[in-house]
Amino acid sequence: DTAVSQTPKYLVTQMGNDKSIKCEQNLGHDTMYWYKQDSKKFLKIMFSYNNKELIINETVPNRFSPKSPDKAHLNLHINSLELGDSAVYFCASSLSGGNHEQYFGPGTRLTVT
Amino acid sequence: DAKTTQPPSMDCAEGRAANLPCNHSTISGNEYVYWYRQIHSQGPQYIIHGLKNNETNEMASLIITEDRKSSTLILPHATLRDTAVYYCIVSPSSGTYKYIFGTGTRLKVLA
Repeated sequence: DTAVSQTPKYLVTQMGNDKSIKCEQNLGHDTMYWYKQDSKKFLKIMFSYNNKELIINETVPNRFSPKSPDKAHLNLHINSLELGDSAVYFCASSLSGGNHEQYFGPGTRLTVT
Repeated sequence: DAKTTQPPSMDCAEGRAANLPCNHSTISGNEYVYWYRQIHSQGPQYIIHGLKNNETNEMASLIITEDRKSSTLILPHATLRDTAVYYCIVSPSSGTYKYIFGTGTRLKVLA
């Protein structure tokens, strides 16, 4: 069974479009995250939700809007896509509390043309 | 900025121990040291973490210095499948548990 899954795995789209990436975890965790890994391989936190409540919101353009319908799901919607949004987006989950590791999904490679 | 510094790359012969160092001189008393690795373009994979004591699991050992300003991840018998980028992260034990990834160490295990 896949612990943290993301769909789609690959996403190719044109500038200006709106797209969504979905994430689901079956680990019973209460905290979920979105990370972005750019072409230089830097991995940066974007958002985190704990029990469906936003707790981390890094300096991310407001074209990016996360939504957590329940504790097992965290989706990322991106409006008006730009070339610079091309990256691999990773979802992760964990139990809350500092003594718990994060489990990462396989990533979604977004290419904006 | 990442709160850790690691060498950009290391080589290790297959079957030998791989010792990956990490400096975290500004670590606070309530911060854990975590190690993750990323194989090719897969999602990062948790390896081990610790607060102040040395830790061991089926994948690796973590040695933390007494002053907690540095640590070493030890892969006891490296295999070709251990070739990856290894990240050392410090994370608070309360609050937002935000990870700040640095550039990591690219470990190449040689046959």
